Order: sequence, then C-alpha cells, then structure tokens
Amino acid sequence: GAGVSQSPSNKVTEKGKDVELRCDPISGHTALYWYRQSLGQGLEFLIYFQGNSAPDKSGLPSDRFSAERTGGSVSTLTIQRTQQEDSAVYLCASSWDRGGSPLHFGNGTRLTVT
Amino acid sequence: SQQGEEDPQALSIQEGENATMNCSYKTSINNLQWYRQNSGRGLVHLILIRSNEREKHSGRLRVTLDTSKKSSSLLITASRAADTASYFCATTSSGGYQKVTFGIGTKLQVIP
Repeated sequence: GAGVSQSPSNKVTEKGKDVELRCDPISGHTALYWYRQSLGQGLEFLIYFQGNSAPDKSGLPSDRFSAERTGGSVSTLTIQRTQQEDSAVYLCASSWDRGGSPLHFGNGTRLTVT
Repeated sequence: SQQGEEDPQALSIQEGENATMNCSYKTSINNLQWYRQNSGRGLVHLILIRSNEREKHSGRLRVTLDTSKKSSSLLITASRAADTASYFCATTSSGGYQKVTFGIGTKLQVIP
C-alpha cells in the first residue's frame, strides 16, 4: 500500500478483555516498530521487528503484551486482560532496515479500556 | 525509556517569528531525526542528521547537532499557523540493531 495502515483506528473494550491491534507496513520495509503514546506524552518504545524476528522486546510493559509479525509484513500487537492503564494510542511505524532510514508512521489505534 | 528530552515542552510564538526547539540525549547515536505530529496521531518525518554532520537545512528547517554535548536543535524560520504541532526528536542508537527512541516532544503553537 501507499502508507502504513493500522486497524482498528479506535477500539473501546472492557477491562479484562483481550484486544488485537493490526499493522500493515509499507511493502518492502523490513523494520517495524510499535510505540505507545499516552495523552499528551511522548512515544514509549514497545517492540522492534527485523523481518519476522524481534531482537528487542524490552519495551513491552508486562507479559500481558505480545506481538508477532508474519511473512515479514503484517504485525499484530495483542494485549491480554486489558487494564485501564493500557488506554493510549498505539502507533506502528516501518522503515528500510538500514542506517538513516526515516520511520513511516500509521495513524495509530486509539485504545480505550473502560 | 525516553532517550531524548526536548525543551521547551511548550512554545507559543507569533506568526512570522522563528521557533527553536532543543533536544538532549544520553547515549551514542547513529543519527538524530525530527518528527512532527498533528492531533496526537501519526508522526511525519521532517529531517535527519547523521552523527558526523553538524548542520542540515530543509526549506524553512535548520537542524544542528553537537555530539560532544549530546544535543540538537530544530529551528523553524518564518513560522506559519500551519506549523502548529508537536515536534519530537528521535535518536537511532549506534551499534547493534538500530533502535529508534523518541523524546517527550515540544508542543508549538503559532498564533496568526
């Protein structure tokens, strides 16, 4: 596609439910990042994929968070047993996996846990 | 964790004035990038400066990098109301894989 696509754009869920967020990167981009942004805050790094592998999962806040990437393309971020503090905008970005490549961001998924 | 720290966190100027935002970071970097965000959604890449560069220009944007002080500045000249947005610096770590870490951002308001 022309850009990074994220779905859904908005998600409201009840506390305790599981959610899946999807990211479709730009075709050919081997690097994929997930970030979380709480209201009025900066971007919190969650996880980075190089192809299908994740060399850095250090940003995942707890074991309720997991992510996978298949075929070097689509990635899903799963949050199990959601909590109210998980409410945020979840941003995905992709880039060519070489030095100096800018990140291309999707418009994010706004997650609200009630 | 936040690698970059932008300052000021908020800036309000009149249209036509210049806006300067600063970013400091802690570890060795491969490059530093500036991004813009409107309405709390996706970020747009503005400019990238490599660790061996000291200054870069793109249109009304001027970026400087001082690796000895681990700091960068973004200057927007002749600001317009449309420049109102949040601006973030992002550092790409050197060595290993290239982790891109963002700062907390500067919220710029340009008053018409």
